Amino acid sequence: QLQLQESGPGLVKPSETLSLTCTVSGGSISSSSYYWGWIRQPPGKGLEWIGSIYYSGSTYYNPSLKSRVTISVDTSKNQFSLKLSSVTAADTAVYYCAREPGIAVAASHSLDYWGQGTLVTVSS
Amino acid sequence: AIRITQSPSSLSASTGDRVTITCRASQGISSYLAWYQQKPGKAPKLLIYAASTLQSGVPSRFSGSGSGTDFTLTISCLQSEDFATYYCQQYYSYPWTFGQGTKVEIK
Repeated sequence: QLQLQESGPGLVKPSETLSLTCTVSGGSISSSSYYWGWIRQPPGKGLEWIGSIYYSGSTYYNPSLKSRVTISVDTSKNQFSLKLSSVTAADTAVYYCAREPGIAVAASHSLDYWGQGTLVTVSS
Repeated sequence: AIRITQSPSSLSASTGDRVTITCRASQGISSYLAWYQQKPGKAPKLLIYAASTLQSGVPSRFSGSGSGTDFTLTISCLQSEDFATYYCQQYYSYPWTFGQGTKVEIK
């Protein structure tokens, strides 16, 4: 059974960089059939797609965050990571990682497996 | 970005009721729409993709319909475990965007 697990600091200071890692188990991040994405949800609010990465390193970012976001993949560790720079209180949210089937898969580009989420608070 | 307008934002219903939630896209998205269920403190769960295809393991009381700009999620006979918040998501073009959510509460 595929599992995704987010990890990283739960508290980040304003203007610093938020860094999270998603560890994938029960499947290979190097599969050509899937992308891997990050989504966030401010407390009590809706979902916002941050971006996705393919195992080859190709990335797709939300333009609203593009200038501050970097998503990378480490196939040797079966992990992918999120960095969000210059954070403010508005970046306080639960951050989820998720699997995104590619075009060759029936559920392509929906988000079929999710991590449990990790709350990141931006505060001094 | 494609804007998704979801309605209603909340509704009250009883066990056994038929419930309908709608999403309208700001431009045509063919059938590139997914529906998710989220319970408090939990990650969203994929229910339906390609507007009408039930994800494996999802009960058949859930159904989706629509194409182009107008989409519907129907729960045919609401069960106690269905009280949750539901989101739609378009994946026709980047950036992927979500509806604002519909909270289904107990009447």
